[in-house]
Amino acid sequence: SQQGEEDPQALSIQEGENATMNCSYKTSINNLQWYRQNSGRGLVHLILIRSNEREKHSGRLRVTLDTSKKSSSLLITASRAADTASYFCATDATSFYNTDKLIFGTGTRLQVFP
Amino acid sequence: DARVTQTPRHKVTEMGQEVTMRCQPILGHNTVFWYRQTMMQGLELLAYFRNRAPLDDSGMPKDRFSAEMPDATLATLKIQPSEPRDSAVYFCASGLGSPDPGIKGEAFFGQGTRLTVV
Repeated sequence: SQQGEEDPQALSIQEGENATMNCSYKTSINNLQWYRQNSGRGLVHLILIRSNEREKHSGRLRVTLDTSKKSSSLLITASRAADTASYFCATDATSFYNTDKLIFGTGTRLQVFP
Repeated sequence: DARVTQTPRHKVTEMGQEVTMRCQPILGHNTVFWYRQTMMQGLELLAYFRNRAPLDDSGMPKDRFSAEMPDATLATLKIQPSEPRDSAVYFCASGLGSPDPGIKGEAFFGQGTRLTVV
């Protein structure tokens, strides 16, 4: 069963605009990760945020985590056509190991028009 | 350039046939995952291993699916007999599971095996 639900399911924007994707999950987590998937390819890890962190940055990516609301958001600033892909959140609900039982959400399909 | 390698990339088989998918995890990784991706169900976790031992295979239909790690460099996922509803992309991923919070907990994915059962 899926732990996370992404919102929106699909998002279309122009190059240069910001893209925001949200993820809601059901149970307590150890960490939350975001992945990207280009069409026909495997998933690529983008960023990991631990349950005791509230915000994290990596280049043009900003991730927030609100454990009280069981939600996370991924912001991509100054989007480029190359950012076109599906984005997934993944939650790790175990308490001891990292890289443990990763459960993925439903994904957001992002289309960035040049 | 370390990466997870999956074979075959594509497989078309007839219903009832046995299918074996193979995965070579990244050297040194102790955690291996098998996922199935379909349009309807998204990414489903089928099973995952740590140090070659299965930790959770509750997502796998036990009557026809089996997953093993004969050694640290090979993970296999078998379907016998295969059915049309098994058509999907199957991903293997590996990572370094550790209680050390300083170890980054990301999973590295292979390119997937696209299975079509006719």
